[in-house]
Order: sequence, then structure tokens, then C-alpha cells
Amino acid sequence: NAGVTQTPKFQVLKTGQSMTLQCAQDMNHEYMSWYRQDPGMGLRLIHYSVGAGITDQGEVPNGYNVSRSTTEDFPLRLLSAAPSQTSVYFCASSYSGPAGSGANVLTFGAGSRLTVL
Amino acid sequence: AQSVTQLDSQVPVFEEAPVELRCNYSSSVSVYLFWYVQYPNQGLQLLLKYLSGSTLVKGINGFEAEFNKSQTSFHLRKPSVHISDTAEYFCAVSAGGATNKLIFGTGTLLAVQP
Repeated sequence: NAGVTQTPKFQVLKTGQSMTLQCAQDMNHEYMSWYRQDPGMGLRLIHYSVGAGITDQGEVPNGYNVSRSTTEDFPLRLLSAAPSQTSVYFCASSYSGPAGSGANVLTFGAGSRLTVL
Repeated sequence: AQSVTQLDSQVPVFEEAPVELRCNYSSSVSVYLFWYVQYPNQGLQLLLKYLSGSTLVKGINGFEAEFNKSQTSFHLRKPSVHISDTAEYFCAVSAGGATNKLIFGTGTLLAVQP
């Protein structure tokens, strides 16, 4: 099983450029999410989705868009990149089982390192 | 709202010594608690989780954690560390439910020295 696949692994952008970070999972997970990781700040939730056609904002959604047209894919779009978006981005997915069932444990991708000049 | 505090940003320790990484949380509802590990240049892997039941939770690679509701803590321990345990460790809390949102602490770098 591939699990959660993120592409690209590395990307350099200029301020104002746009790009999409791709995330795909092959585990039929209903729940998918995007985090960004910055030194000394841990991981912060950007956007998440509980199923195809449903998305919602996390802690730090500004400057990012998402959509969920299929169960498998959850792309993250930067419409106009800023240096403050330089970060490592992680996609994570899980089943949406009953609370406390253990089904809803996140599986993470390997990360995408983005640098905005 | 939930939050997580990891009190130590870095913990240096000699190989074969015991280690404890501290984690405190705040929540107004029942919580589910997790420890994840991130090896250099990799994604996060689940070490262990507390969902309910026994407050002492055992995970992979010889790690364990104890849920203490009165102290709102979930400290991670290992009796004897190896060089290969050098990594960043993240404590996280989830309010459960259908959304599975995790709130992460800022991480603790465990640096094991020979």
C-alpha cells in the first residue's frame, strides 16, 4: 500500500506565484487534512475534509484553498505565494470512526518542503 | 478549546539512560491523546495513543506513556534509549468526534549522545 502520497517533495516559488500541493491516499479514508510545520511551532492545521465535497478551515487557513472532489485526493492551493508560507506541509488522513474507537488515527505523508523567495 | 504544552524544546540524554518527555494538555471535554515521532527528513509516525481504559499505554520501540487526568499530563517515557531514538517527538490531543482534528504541541527534540 502506498498510504498517503504527497507531491512535490520540494518546491521553490517566487512571491506572487501560485501552485498546488497534491495529496492522494489509497486507504479509502473519509477524513483528510493539511498541516504546516514551522520551527518551534509544531504542526498547525490549515484545512480539513470529512468527505468528498466537504471542507472546513483549521487554525491557519488564510492564503490557502482546498477542494475535495474525490475520496482519494485533497489538493492544497496557494493562489499568491508569500514568504510567510515557507514551510513544510504535511497531508494526513484517517477513517471517521466512532470517537475513541481507534479508527480515526491519522496517517501522515512524507511532507512537501516549500520555499517562497 | 484544546491545547497542548510540551515543556522542553530539547532533551539531551546519554545512550542507555532513561528519558521522560513531558506533555500537558487542557481541554473542557473528554480527550484522546497521542505521541508521534518524526525522524529527520521524514513524516510523522504514531508512537502510541490513549483513547480509554488503562492509563498506562505502551507503544512501539519500547516507549510508554501515562495518562494522568488530575494533572492533565501525558508524559512519554523510555527506560533505556538508543542512538536511533534521536528524533522529534510531538504530543497531540484530539477532541474526537467525526473531525479527527489534532492539536499538536511544539515538539521536543530528543538528542541521544553516545
